[in-house]
Amino acid sequence: DAGVIQSPRHEVTEMGQEVTLRCKPISGHNSLFWYRQTMMRGLELLIYFNNNVPIDDSGMPEDRFSAKMPNASFSTLKIQPSEPRDSAVYFCASSLSGFEKLFFGSGTQLSVL
Amino acid sequence: DAKTTQPTSMDCAEGRAANLPCNHSTISGNEYVYWYRQIHSQGPQYIIHGLKNNETNEMASLIITEDRKSSTLILPHATLRDTAVYYCIVMGYRDDKIIFGKGTRLHILP
Repeated sequence: DAGVIQSPRHEVTEMGQEVTLRCKPISGHNSLFWYRQTMMRGLELLIYFNNNVPIDDSGMPEDRFSAKMPNASFSTLKIQPSEPRDSAVYFCASSLSGFEKLFFGSGTQLSVL
Repeated sequence: DAKTTQPTSMDCAEGRAANLPCNHSTISGNEYVYWYRQIHSQGPQYIIHGLKNNETNEMASLIITEDRKSSTLILPHATLRDTAVYYCIVMGYRDDKIIFGKGTRLHILP
């Protein structure tokens, strides 16, 4: 299995631009998670989906952030407009069901200038 | 907030057993102890989890005290590739959220 696939691996953009991060979960997994990691705040859960339905988005920082899961094999995390404080590594993870055993992707390193 | 307390960092000689402690004095009866690790520039990796009994898999062993207020992750023969941040997490089965604390930074020394 290829594991959780995230793209792009690195993203550099200017403040105010729209950023879209992509994730392909492991086939057969029913839960998908987006985490953000910074030196100051560590790993934070942003949102998670069960069977393509958002269950808890209480970790999404503000309205500039949105996440979708149009089907079982694809999810996006969008930031519009981006700000320098959004600079972080964004991880996508998936699991068979719930939080039991998460498999993480390699992450997207986002830099907003 | 994380429900666990871990040392900030530890050193271990290559080839020796690495014993990583974790305190979780407020753990409730239906909560599990999970361990993940994060190697530099990679996503976190699941290692092992347990409820009451000691557990072992191909990566590590998990020893949980009888009162369940603390546990120890054991890497039996540490290698340089085991250098990572190790997270001890307490959560309910499946439906609780995984909240990562600061973890223990383990340095394996050659």
